[in-house]
Amino acid sequence: DAGITQSPRHKVTETGTPVTLRCHQTENHRYMYWYRQDPGHGLRLIHYSYGVKDTDKGEVSDGYSVSRSKTEDFLLTLESATSSQTSVYFCATLAGAGRDTQYFGPGTRLTVL
Amino acid sequence: AQSVTQLGSHVSVSEGALVLLRCNYSSSVPPYLFWYVQYPNQGLQLLLKYTSAATLVKGINGFEAEFKKSETSFHLTKPSAHMSDAAEYFCAVIRGDSNYQLIWGAGTKLIIKP
Repeated sequence: DAGITQSPRHKVTETGTPVTLRCHQTENHRYMYWYRQDPGHGLRLIHYSYGVKDTDKGEVSDGYSVSRSKTEDFLLTLESATSSQTSVYFCATLAGAGRDTQYFGPGTRLTVL
Repeated sequence: AQSVTQLGSHVSVSEGALVLLRCNYSSSVPPYLFWYVQYPNQGLQLLLKYTSAATLVKGINGFEAEFKKSETSFHLTKPSAHMSDAAEYFCAVIRGDSNYQLIWGAGTKLIIKP
């Protein structure tokens, strides 16, 4: 258990509205990741962070932004939500004895109407 | 480019039968390989990982996987399936040129028949 919580766990929103998802960790891990999971696509990396204020894009970053002002919090923002962003979003941190293993939060189910 | 291929989007086995979930990878560097399990409506949980130590890796819940470099494979097995093993299983490899990013397989849904 890497001490990861995500909020909210479920959200329904309207097209065009901004949405922010929060990932919170209690273990002081340096690396954090945001993924989306869609049927038939597995997990796809949206953005990741390698320290406070240090972030980079993943393979599906269009329409998403992130911020990390504190080690423990990694925020994902959908600037103007679209129906194609309906998905389950997972946060992960890098931990383990060799700091080479990703551990996942419980996920946020987002529906954009 | 690195990639991960999981053969079979769905695998169905009878309770008590052998479970075999296939994963093949391509990597230009010695790979770190992972298997994760996802139970319905939950996050992903690490089953086991290979990090260039023993080629036969034992994980949780009676699962194990064998790294075979000559076959570029990392198949997941369990001798006797249990109903509680019904879940989706993902294979992943660390990208060699990244900040610990993972390349994921598309997942295999394991169905257990009573």
